[in-house]
Amino acid sequence: GENVEQHPSTLSVQEGDSAVIKCTYSDSASNYFPWYKQELGKGPQLIIDIRSNVGEKKDQRIAVTLNKTAKHFSLHITETQPEDSAVYFCAGRNSGNTPLVFGKGTRLSVIA
Amino acid sequence: GAVVSQHPSRVICKSGTSVKIECRSLDFQATTMFWYRQFPKKSLMLMATSNEGSKATYEQGVEKDKFLINHASLTLSTLTVTSAHPEDSSFYICSASDLLGYEQYFGPGTRLTVT
Repeated sequence: GENVEQHPSTLSVQEGDSAVIKCTYSDSASNYFPWYKQELGKGPQLIIDIRSNVGEKKDQRIAVTLNKTAKHFSLHITETQPEDSAVYFCAGRNSGNTPLVFGKGTRLSVIA
Repeated sequence: GAVVSQHPSRVICKSGTSVKIECRSLDFQATTMFWYRQFPKKSLMLMATSNEGSKATYEQGVEKDKFLINHASLTLSTLTVTSAHPEDSSFYICSASDLLGYEQYFGPGTRLTVT
């Protein structure tokens, strides 16, 4: 089955700097890769996703890149703000309505 | 994005009692709902997958008689923790996806404390 690895587990950046979180997956049939942001005591919030027919997707300060050959995808947050501080999870899956497989999460701290 | 609600947000119950958690999709029909458990500072652990009108599929190690899941309609799934024990204390989160099945939206979670 699918296995998703996520790095780093913690990340601290200065406000205004960029943050990059990387994930690798094992199942070459996986075709959907969402990213979630989870604030303390809340459920995960879908912030961006990418499908395997696209190499990059951007939404304002957030972008995701996908390298199918290398089986890795990354989350890029530019111009970070303190409110970006949270735990970020990557995930992957190979078909609709099958459970997502999550990475272990990255705790991002943006220092003002 | 789509909205998924959970009720209650927090619940405290005594050992031996049962507690029911509701998960609702508010603005779409949730063909499939998933139930997760999350321990502090850990990732989400999938407990079960439920499709509307069918029995839930439980992950290995999850007791189906202890964690009863019902998905009777396209907008509502319930998780009942039966004969709760302190080790069942956790953060329980549901998620839902529609017929197309790509996006999966999470509820706000329910903090269960068993005393």
